[in-house]
Amino acid sequence: AQKITQTQPGMFVQEKEAVTLDCTYDTSDQSYGLFWYKQPSSGEMIFLIYQGSYDEQNATEGRYSLNFQKARKSANLVISASQLGDSAMYFCAWVGTNSKLTFGKGITLSVRP
Amino acid sequence: ETGVTQTPRHLVMGMTNKKSLKCEQHLGHNAMYWYKQSAKKPLELMFVYNFKEQTENNSVPSRFSPECPNSSHLFLHLHTLQPEDSALYLCASSQDGRLAYNEQFFGPGTRLTVL
Repeated sequence: AQKITQTQPGMFVQEKEAVTLDCTYDTSDQSYGLFWYKQPSSGEMIFLIYQGSYDEQNATEGRYSLNFQKARKSANLVISASQLGDSAMYFCAWVGTNSKLTFGKGITLSVRP
Repeated sequence: ETGVTQTPRHLVMGMTNKKSLKCEQHLGHNAMYWYKQSAKKPLELMFVYNFKEQTENNSVPSRFSPECPNSSHLFLHLHTLQPEDSALYLCASSQDGRLAYNEQFFGPGTRLTVL
């Protein structure tokens, strides 16, 4: 079974600084995708970024970038220039050819003013 | 209304009650999902509907009964729940549940408390 690991218990970052949220996965599939979602206290899961296993370049979406290291099976999320509104839970998720999303446990990010 | 909406946002029910959660998507998608998010646990996929047909039941107890009357609406009927069923129930939709890359759009969730 696929496994997504997010081990950081909680992260703190100063406003305007960059932060990296870690995610590792375990799969024997050759074709898969990785997602990051943000969940603020309101509960809604907000899509941030997607990386396909065959994408040669790291995905970027505005202030979000994904540091994809396929051989190490890691897909870390980098948030640049942190804002107070970035304080939330962040979930890494994996999808394979069965089209089922498997989520990690999540990481709490707190941005300090 | 835009995106994915869920009602009610909060629900408190006794173990003998019967209630229903409603999800509606305004995105023209063909796949809809129910997830359960318990404290300190990863999101768990419960059910998947693709073009109104149930394509996934992730070993969910029968006290949870989904219904998908059309591609825009998804219900979760609840009866004789247990306190451990207390959780945030999230609904999501995507263009097509058969596609591996399938960005899912989530609703705000229903916070359920079973007394």
